[in-house]
Amino acid sequence: DTGVSQDPRHKITKRGQNVTFRCDPISEHNRLYWYRQTLGQGPEFLTYFQNEAQLEKSRLLSDRFSAERPKGSFSTLEIQRTEQGDSAMYLCASSLDPDRRADTQYFGPGTRLTVL
Amino acid sequence: AQSVTQLGSHVSVSEGALVLLRCNYSSSVPPYLFWYVQYPNQGLQLLLKYTSAATLVKGINGFEAEFKKSETSFHLTKPSAHMSDAAEYFCALLAISNFGNEKLTFGTGTRLTIIP
Repeated sequence: DTGVSQDPRHKITKRGQNVTFRCDPISEHNRLYWYRQTLGQGPEFLTYFQNEAQLEKSRLLSDRFSAERPKGSFSTLEIQRTEQGDSAMYLCASSLDPDRRADTQYFGPGTRLTVL
Repeated sequence: AQSVTQLGSHVSVSEGALVLLRCNYSSSVPPYLFWYVQYPNQGLQLLLKYTSAATLVKGINGFEAEFKKSETSFHLTKPSAHMSDAAEYFCALLAISNFGNEKLTFGTGTRLTIIP
C-alpha cells in the first residue's frame, strides 16, 4: 500500500530549464492538492483538484506553473523556465471524500527542487 | 483572513519531560485545526485534528491537543518526551472558500529537539 507517492524525490536543474513532477495519490482519493514548502516555512497551498477538475489556484502559482490531473488519478506539476526562487520542496496530498468536511489530507514525501 | 501562529520556532526538552508546542489561530468562522509532524526529508504525517466534536483531541504517539476558543489556541502536548519525537511540528487551519474548496493554512513550524 500505499500512501501518496511522488517522483522524483530530488531534482536539480539549471535556471531556465523546465521540470515536471508527478504525484500518485492514494487509490480512490478524489481530492488532490499541491503545496510548496521553502526552508524554514510551513507548506503553502498551490492548487487543488477534485477528480480531474482544477478547482482553485493560489496567487503563488504564476503562469510558469501548470498542473494537470488528466484522468482523475495521478497529477503532474510543471514549472517552465525555472528560477532560483522556485527552489523548494513540492508536496502533494490527497483526501478521500469531497462530501466529508475536513477530511484528512495525506501527504507524500515531496519532491525537493534545486535550481542552480 | 484565517491564519495560524506558532510561538517558538525551536523548542528543546529533556527526555521524559513534558512537551508543549504552542499554536494560536485567527478565524472568522468555527475552525478546523490540525497538527502534523515532519521528519527530515519526509512528508507530513497527521498527528491529530479538531473538527468540533470534542475540545480535547487525542492523537498518535501519545500526543494530544486542547481547543480553547476563548484563547484562540490549539496547543500540542505530550506528557513524556521520547527521543523519537524529535522532528518539525506544524499547526494548520483548514480554510474553506465560498465555493466549498478546502485548503490548509500552515504555521511556520516548531522544531522539537529532545535532550538525552
